[in-house]
Amino acid sequence: GAGVSQSPRYKVAKRGQDVALRCDPISGHVSLFWYQQALGQGPEFLTYFQNEAQLDKSGLPSDRFFAERPEGSVSTLKIQRTQQEDSAVYLCASRREVDSRGNTQYFGPGTRLTVL
Amino acid sequence: KQEVTQIPAALSVPEGENLVLNCSFTDSAIYNLQWFRQDPGKGLTSLLLIQSSQREQTSGRLNASLDKSSGRSTLYIAASQPGDSATYLCAAVYRDDKIIFGKGTRLHILP
Repeated sequence: GAGVSQSPRYKVAKRGQDVALRCDPISGHVSLFWYQQALGQGPEFLTYFQNEAQLDKSGLPSDRFFAERPEGSVSTLKIQRTQQEDSAVYLCASRREVDSRGNTQYFGPGTRLTVL
Repeated sequence: KQEVTQIPAALSVPEGENLVLNCSFTDSAIYNLQWFRQDPGKGLTSLLLIQSSQREQTSGRLNASLDKSSGRSTLYIAASQPGDSATYLCAAVYRDDKIIFGKGTRLHILP
């Protein structure tokens, strides 16, 4: 398929473990976004890449969260020393253009992280 | 603080009815206003995108309006069907790419 894919779809981690979540955006999409969606809430912005450059990481909740997109395509969101409050669905989205006007983001199915 | 509020939080209506979902946003300096659909265990699907210079957009049975000055948008669904059951999210998109989502309206269409 030509959509955004994420892996794994489900991840269970013990408190204190490190996790890595992968996002494969639509081929050729310049912009890539990560969101965190808690149960019953709307998605909340975490970070934004334009190609390989991380232009905005203001939404990352702590220094335990780290994201990269080294070659401007696949992105990885890493969470170190996971805590129970990190349990959420992590959504990745990509957009073809840099400019958001008139251009929508395409979302992946998300990774549901449960921290025990 | 930039916030998006959606009313109602949940809605159940019989099949065939027309319905309106409401969205309000505190910062009217939006770039776009988008409506998304989210099915359980799945990501978001964009339904309609209204640029700040536009008043409404239509796609099939869906019509979204935007009143930027009052900070409001509505999503109108005509002749609702059971397949319309999902969570509908409103999102305000700002020039700096910051996107603020509402908490969504959980819609259930009764067959």
